[in-house]
Amino acid sequence: GDSVTQMEGPVTLSEEAFLTINCTYTATGYPSLFWYVQYPGEGLQLLLKATKADDKGSNKGFEATYRKETTSFHLEKGSVQVSDSAVYFCALYTGNQFYFGTGTSLTVIP
Amino acid sequence: NAGVTQTPKFQVLKTGQSMTLQCAQDMNHNSMYWYRQDPGMGLRLIYYSASEGTTDKGEVPNGYNVSRLNKREFSLRLESAAPSQTSVYFCASSRQPGQGSSGANVLTFGAGSRLTVL
Repeated sequence: GDSVTQMEGPVTLSEEAFLTINCTYTATGYPSLFWYVQYPGEGLQLLLKATKADDKGSNKGFEATYRKETTSFHLEKGSVQVSDSAVYFCALYTGNQFYFGTGTSLTVIP
Repeated sequence: NAGVTQTPKFQVLKTGQSMTLQCAQDMNHNSMYWYRQDPGMGLRLIYYSASEGTTDKGEVPNGYNVSRLNKREFSLRLESAAPSQTSVYFCASSRQPGQGSSGANVLTFGAGSRLTVL
């Protein structure tokens, strides 16, 4: 069945460090791919999305590229800030349902 | 602000009690969803409603019932709460392709309802 596997956390980085959170997926057809972010005590918010192969989603300095050949959608940011501390979820939509990864907790220390 | 509104934000129940979580969206979305979030397990779909008048089971429907009251509202009911239902519950909504959206079908989430069953 369709599924998402993402890097387990927690991840702790110093401010201005480079961030990568790995995400791979299994899906039939051509899913849309997403990264959602959850700040403490809040619901999930869309961070970025990509709808077809080779699309690059970007927002707030975060980027992810839809790689069909490796079935991946890794999240990257060149220089993290303390305010980026949150839980990040990779997700896919197959035209019927959404599927989420288990989430990766990121803590950025000054 | 437009979006998804859930009530209550917090609730404590005793085993066997019943309760209903309410959810409303004002974005004219067709589809609505109920998820539960547990540590280490991410989000799991309980029930969803692809359109007004339809509901379907998700991954973990046992112990829950839902009602799609109208296009805006989608409630989740626990008939006899159990400690295993202690969780954070999220309601979400989305457009469907063909509903005038451009690009991906994006989920919009509510702020969550934290339920503790003693």
